[in-house]
Amino acid sequence: ETGVTQSPTHLIKTRGQQVTLRCSSQSGHNTVSWYQQALGQGPQFIFQYYREEENGRGNFPPRFSGLQFPNYSSELNVNALELDDSALYLCASKPGGQADTQYFGPGTRLTVL
Amino acid sequence: AQSVTQLDSQVPVFEEAPVELRCNYSSSVSVYLFWYVQYPNQGLQLLLKYLSGSTLVKGINGFEAEFNKSQTSFHLRKPSVHISDTAEYFCAVSERRTGFQKLVFGTGTRLLVSP
Repeated sequence: ETGVTQSPTHLIKTRGQQVTLRCSSQSGHNTVSWYQQALGQGPQFIFQYYREEENGRGNFPPRFSGLQFPNYSSELNVNALELDDSALYLCASKPGGQADTQYFGPGTRLTVL
Repeated sequence: AQSVTQLDSQVPVFEEAPVELRCNYSSSVSVYLFWYVQYPNQGLQLLLKYLSGSTLVKGINGFEAEFNKSQTSFHLRKPSVHISDTAEYFCAVSERRTGFQKLVFGTGTRLLVSP
């Protein structure tokens, strides 16, 4: 148990739709990151939020956006879904200011038809 | 930028045999190193990490890894595997940078333990 939860577990959408994925971190974890894991691949970094501000982004287009809230919850939003967005989306949290362990949630499996 | 190469996509091994999963990385700056395990339909669990100090790192479930700076390697080892070790293993690096931590993962090695 990492203390990080994600919802929903599974989700099916069609091309062009928008989706919101949610993550709840441990109390005190001011940093949250999101990763995309395509089938058979390692996770790819999407972005990181620290105290509700985005402070780093990977090679993902602007239609991937996020929010982080004061209650240690966060969201990943994806607009204009494409077939290639089908993947497992993982959030990870850690105490802010420490280059230390990220704790991963179980992930949300998104299927785009 | 950093990159990680996991040379073996799949490693079959018999129960109670030793195993080594290989990981090489590339980076122009100092990095932290991690090994994560992923069981089917689950998220990632940290096995061990190297931040500084002794280059031999011990983790959970009897795993250990050795950081070799000259070889830019961080191979994972276990002297005797169990059926329950069957999973996907990911090596990852992050730049040494307080606060910001972007994990760069390898493509993973599937460990298959058979009786």
